Amino acid sequence: ELKVEQNPLFLSMQEGKNYTIYCNYSTTSDRLYWYRQDPGKSLESLFVLLSNGAVKQEGRLMASLDTKARLSTLHITAAVHDLSATYFCAVEPSGGGADGLTFGKGTHLIIQP
Amino acid sequence: EAGVAQSPRYKIIEKRQSVAFWCNPISGHATLYWYQQILGQGPKLLIQFQNNGVVDDSQLPKDRFSAERLKGVDSTLKIQPAKLEDSAVYLCASSLGALAVGKTQYFGPGTRLLVL
Repeated sequence: ELKVEQNPLFLSMQEGKNYTIYCNYSTTSDRLYWYRQDPGKSLESLFVLLSNGAVKQEGRLMASLDTKARLSTLHITAAVHDLSATYFCAVEPSGGGADGLTFGKGTHLIIQP
Repeated sequence: EAGVAQSPRYKIIEKRQSVAFWCNPISGHATLYWYQQILGQGPKLLIQFQNNGVVDDSQLPKDRFSAERLKGVDSTLKIQPAKLEDSAVYLCASSLGALAVGKTQYFGPGTRLLVL
């Protein structure tokens, strides 16, 4: 059974600071995704990471993937209030047509002025 | 490009009643998913369709939940009878399909169900 663990689950930080969210998963995977969810809203796709060593950046967010360690990170640089949201990592199982995602519990991020 | 559409957006029912949710995926997306998101948790896959066939329903509580995608486009998810623990947001997602290189799942706005 594929398991996905995120940490921390809750993070309060000040604007301008840097921080990293970690996502560990238990078995081999074809793809890893990062999603953002604002309160009362649906999930917005941020990144899809396809291979070992993959790094993607969008604005103040950068995601990376280490398939050997089964670890992905989401790094926030010089945080701003608009990045306050819940961030989920989600893992797609290897092989076959069944590619429903297994999500972590999410990291609830609050960025204070 | 229109996104994934879901209706209703909100539903309140009493336990033991029935409820149905509707989803219209992004045009051209062969794969459709239903997820259940309980408050404070990540979404959990209930069922995956490829066109009108079921690919994975291993986590669907089949004694009370059913889903169909008869013409390979729209889908309905039904709960009968509902229990208190079914209170959650039901999210529909779609993607281009298993053979697509970039098969990101795009999520709809969700249906918020409260069972009293």
